[in-house]
Amino acid sequence: QLQLQEAGPGLVKPSETLSLTCTVSGGSISNSNYYWGWIRQPPGKGLEWIGSVYYSGSTYYNPSLKSRITILVDTSKNQFSLKLTSVTAADTAVYYCARQFVVENLFDFWGQGTLVTVSS
Amino acid sequence: SSEVTQDPAVSVALGQTVRITCQGDSLRRFYASWYQQKPGQAPVLVSYNKNKRPSGIPDRFSGSSSENTASLTITGAQAEDEADYYCESRDSSGNHYVFGSGTTVSVL
Repeated sequence: QLQLQEAGPGLVKPSETLSLTCTVSGGSISNSNYYWGWIRQPPGKGLEWIGSVYYSGSTYYNPSLKSRITILVDTSKNQFSLKLTSVTAADTAVYYCARQFVVENLFDFWGQGTLVTVSS
Repeated sequence: SSEVTQDPAVSVALGQTVRITCQGDSLRRFYASWYQQKPGQAPVLVSYNKNKRPSGIPDRFSGSSSENTASLTITGAQAEDEADYYCESRDSSGNHYVFGSGTTVSVL
């Protein structure tokens, strides 16, 4: 069974960089049928797609966040990562990683999510 | 702002049928997927590609699509269906993904 697990600091100071890693187990991140995505959810609010990466390294970013985000893939470790720079309190959210089917519009496996709080 | 819109909340009597809708111009070109999210849990895919369900999703969940509107219908709602439901699709460029703002379903 495929599993995704987010990892990273739960507290980040304003203006600093948020860094998260998603480790994929039970399947290969190099499977050509899938992208690997990041989605976030501020407390009490809805879901927001952040961006996605293909095993080749190709990326798609949310235009509203594009200037601040970098998503990378490490096929040797079966991991992908998110960096979000210049964070503010508005970036406080639960961050999810998920598998995204290339052909269809869907995220079919999700990590449990990790809460990242931006505060001094 | 989201390019697909949902009603904030809807209620349904136990055992009755409820339809949740998602509207947006991009839905004329792209199918929507639907996710169920219960408090403190990650979203779960319940419907995709107009009317397909992942393995393990009860058949009381069904999707449909017409013009600029995608719908998720719960036929015979159960207490455990009380949750937030999000639609998701592509934006008008087709290169990015958007979620609706979510619909809270209350089962009375």
